[in-house]
Formats: sequence, structure tokens, C-alpha cells
Amino acid sequence: KAGVTQTPRYLIKTRGQQVTLSCSPISGHRSVSWYQQTPGQGLQFLFEYFSETQRNKGNFPGRFSGRQFSNSRSEMNVSTLELGDSALYLCASRSLVDAIDSPLHFGNGTRLTVT
Amino acid sequence: AQSVTQLDSQVPVFEEAPVELRCNYSSSVSVYLFWYVQYPNQGLQLLLKYLSGSTLVKSINGFEAEFNKSQTSFHLRKPSVHISDTAEYFCAVNAYNTDKLIFGTGTRLQVFP
Repeated sequence: KAGVTQTPRYLIKTRGQQVTLSCSPISGHRSVSWYQQTPGQGLQFLFEYFSETQRNKGNFPGRFSGRQFSNSRSEMNVSTLELGDSALYLCASRSLVDAIDSPLHFGNGTRLTVT
Repeated sequence: AQSVTQLDSQVPVFEEAPVELRCNYSSSVSVYLFWYVQYPNQGLQLLLKYLSGSTLVKSINGFEAEFNKSQTSFHLRKPSVHISDTAEYFCAVNAYNTDKLIFGTGTRLQVFP
């Protein structure tokens, strides 16, 4: 079974631009979560989608948005990029949102650098 | 709201020595607890979890963690580490009444020969 796939692996963008990151969950997983990882801050929760609906949202500005498609694939968009948005963005999927013993499966992340 | 504290950002240790990575949490309700490991240039992998029952949980590669409700802790231990254990370790908490997983800031375990 293929794991969680995130594309692209690396991105370099300029301040003010926008970026779209993609995540394909494990086949059969309907829940997709996004996290931002930075040194010293650890993993910060961005949002979670289940069946194309956003179920949970972290404390990030409106520049960060996401969506999920009918095939469970998810995209995350960041508009008007700032230097502080440079981070590793991790996507994770799990099979059942309400089954807490269903662990999160992470992709290898997209490393975004904003210059 | 829940929070997780990993006080040690880095833990250097020699191979075959014991190690303990500390994790404390704060929550007004009961929680589930997890440890994830992140090897270089990879995503996170579940190492072990506490949901209920025995407070001592073990992983397949020799790590164990003990849930201590009175001290609100879930420290990770290994009696003898290997070079291959070098990685970043994240403690995470999930309250019973939510499906949001909250992570600590991570502890980088560096094992030296």
C-alpha cells in the first residue's frame, strides 16, 4: 500500500507570491490533516479535512487555506507569502476521524523556502 | 485546551547508554498519549501510544513509555540506545472530547559512537 505522498518535495518562492501544496493520502483514508513544522516551534496544526469538509482549524491567519477533493486528495494554499512561512509542511492521513486509535500516517513533507 | 511540554530540545548520549526523553502534558479532561519519531528528511512515524489499560506501553524497537496521571507525564525510555535511534522524537496528546492531535516541540536524540 502506497504511503502518504506530498508534492512537490521542495519549493522556493518569493515574498508576496502564493503557493499550492498537494497531498495524496493512503488509499481508503478519508481524513487529511496539515501541520507546519519549524525549528523551535515543533508541529503546529493547520487544519483537518474529512469528506471534503474542514473539521478542525488551527490558529493560522486566513492566508492559509485548504481543500479536499472527492478522492480525498488535499491541497493547501498559502497566499501573500512571508519570510516566516518558511517551514516543512507535513500532511497526514488516517482512516477514521473519530477512531482515536487510528494513528496519523505522515508524508515526507514539502519544504518551503520563502526569500 | 491541551498542551504538551518537552523540556529537552536536545539529548546527546553515547551508544548503549540508557536514555529518557521527558514529556509532560496539561489537560482538563482525560487524554490519549502518543510518541512519534522523525528520522532525517522523513515524515513522522508512530512509535507507541497509550489509550487505556496498562500504563506501561512498549514499541517493537525497545522503547517504552509510562503514563503517570498524577504527574501528567509520559516519558519515553530506552535501556540501551543504538546509533540508528538518532532522530527527533515528538510527544503528542489528544483529549477524549476532540480529534485534534497536539504535538510538543520535539526532542532531538543524538547518539554518538
